[in-house]
Amino acid sequence: SQKIEQNSEALNIQEGKTATLTCNYTNYSPAYLQWYRQDPGRGPVFLLLIRENEKEKRKERLKVTFDTTLKQSLFHITASQPADSATYLCALDPWNTGKLIFGQGTTLQVKP
Amino acid sequence: EAEVAQSPRYKITEKSQAVAFWCDPISGHATLYWYRQILGQGPELLVQFQDESVVDDSQLPKDRFSAERLKGVDSTLKIQPAELGDSAMYLCASRNRDMYQETQYFGPGTRLLVL
Repeated sequence: SQKIEQNSEALNIQEGKTATLTCNYTNYSPAYLQWYRQDPGRGPVFLLLIRENEKEKRKERLKVTFDTTLKQSLFHITASQPADSATYLCALDPWNTGKLIFGQGTTLQVKP
Repeated sequence: EAEVAQSPRYKITEKSQAVAFWCDPISGHATLYWYRQILGQGPELLVQFQDESVVDDSQLPKDRFSAERLKGVDSTLKIQPAELGDSAMYLCASRNRDMYQETQYFGPGTRLLVL
């Protein structure tokens, strides 16, 4: 079956460290992958998009990699801050129709 | 900065009652989505509109859910009758018409509790 899996357990790290979140998918060949941030009780907010021909994308302290052979994306937050604490969702558009399939999200807790 | 508007933010209802949610997308966004998000899970698409037309409603429980976007701008999602299992966050998102603008912009959501 087609699946998108993210770390189901919450990730707890110390302020200043690098957080690394994983998104694995099966049976898809997406043209791009997106990462969103979601705070409790709020809608998701777009962070980054990476295309299949891009290995890496950066935005300020954020970095995303996309390995279409491994069917995996890694999302990194460097020099993490308590304000980075949130749930992070990865999403694919498997059929390039604008219909996104989301992973279940990984909750990140950054401790001061 | 333009935002997607949703109302109400919270709704408590009893099972078998009817509820309706409203969404106003970012101006000029042709594509509108309704998602349902159960606590601890990612959003799941219920219905996708392109202008006033339904593009995909394959995951919409049509026996009780309906959605419309009559003038291709704002949209309403209705549940009748509501069931306990409908308790969730209902999210609306919109996207630009440009096929290379893949980002979806989400509203704040409507939290529904069915008692």
